[in-house]
Formats: sequence, structure tokens, C-alpha cells
Amino acid sequence: AQKITQTQPGMFVQEKEAVTLDCTYDTSDPSYGLFWYKQPSSGEMIFLIYQGSYDQQNATEGRYSLNFQKARKSANLVISASQLGDSAMYFCAMRGNQGGKLIFGQGTELSVKP
Amino acid sequence: DTAVSQTPKYLVTQMGNDKSIKCEQNLGHDTMYWYKQDSKKFLKIMFSYNNKELIINETVPNRFSPKSPDKAHLNLHINSLELGDSAVYFCASSQDPQAGYEQYFGPGTRLTVT
Repeated sequence: AQKITQTQPGMFVQEKEAVTLDCTYDTSDPSYGLFWYKQPSSGEMIFLIYQGSYDQQNATEGRYSLNFQKARKSANLVISASQLGDSAMYFCAMRGNQGGKLIFGQGTELSVKP
Repeated sequence: DTAVSQTPKYLVTQMGNDKSIKCEQNLGHDTMYWYKQDSKKFLKIMFSYNNKELIINETVPNRFSPKSPDKAHLNLHINSLELGDSAVYFCASSQDPQAGYEQYFGPGTRLTVT
């Protein structure tokens, strides 16, 4: 069975510092994709970053980077230079082996302190 | 232009009623999804359609019936609403999901059953 685990229910970070949100996954499929989404208090789901299982390099998108360690089955999100607007719920997700459905982790609530 | 839209945004109704949520995407995507986010913020796939054809039907009560009149629309009809149906329902769409394209989410519909 495919599974995503986020073990940090809540995290605090000081403004302008970097923060790492943990994500581990379990799958027996050789081909899979890993996604991170942000859900601010307004409720919408915002796509942040994608990593394919065959990608050789870690994905980066602006201040977001994905620390992909395939052997350890981890796909941690790193946010550099945190901003107050980064305060939100963050979800790690894996593309399932059926029809492209996303399997989500439990989420991590990030609070950025001024 | 809104990429994925849902109506209504809020829906308050009584147990036993039947209600529908509509979703439309103007991105030209072939694949659309319904997800349910419960009170603990956990997101779970319900259904997926590819080009009007049902491809994913998770273990959802048959009171829930999706309908896709064309590939730009995916509606969700719920019969005999129960208290446990209270949740936020998200519609999403994507290009070829197996190729790693992200899913674009609608703003969500908050359903409250009293």
C-alpha cells in the first residue's frame, strides 16, 4: 500500500530563517511523483513543488526546494528565508499508482514568528 | 480567469436532504477529481474522471454520485445527507496525471449538515 507520513503536526520558525518540513513515503512502485501543497487559512490548495522518482536533481522553485532522498524514502520541503505569509498548513502528497490520484499526508501547520 | 471553480462555496443543509456541488475547469485538462477534507484537515480522494469516464471510485458510499457531462465539468451529487458528510469538498484537475503534472484545486465547498 502507498502511504505518506508527516510526523510534525506543528512547526514554528522565525521570520527570515529556513525551515524543513518532513515527509516520508512508502511505495513499491518504481515510478511515482511527490508533491507539496500549501493551504493558507483562507482554505485554497496551492501547488508548490514537484519531484519525480527518476529525477536526478532535487527540485527547486524560488524559495522552495525539495530534499529528495530516495533510499530513505523521504521528500522534505525546505523553505528558505521564511516570510509571515508562509504561515499555513503544508501537505506532502504522492501520486498514486491508479489514475494519478494524490495520496496526502496528515499535514504540518507552519507558523512564522516576526 | 478562474482555473477551477466550484459552486457553491458554502452549503448548509439538514440531514436527509439531497444536494449538488458543481465544478468547472477552463484549463483544457482531461482529468478531474473530487477530494474530501475532514475536520482534521485530512484530504482523501473520492473520485476521478478522465475525459468523462470514471477511473477512480474509492470506497465512497453510493449516496455520492459524480457526473461529468463533459470534460470541463465534474459535479458531485449527494443523496440523503448525513452529519458525517460535513467536510470541505475540493474539485481538482490536471493534464496527464501519470506524467507528473500538478493538480489544480478549486476553492473548495464547505458542506455543513445539521
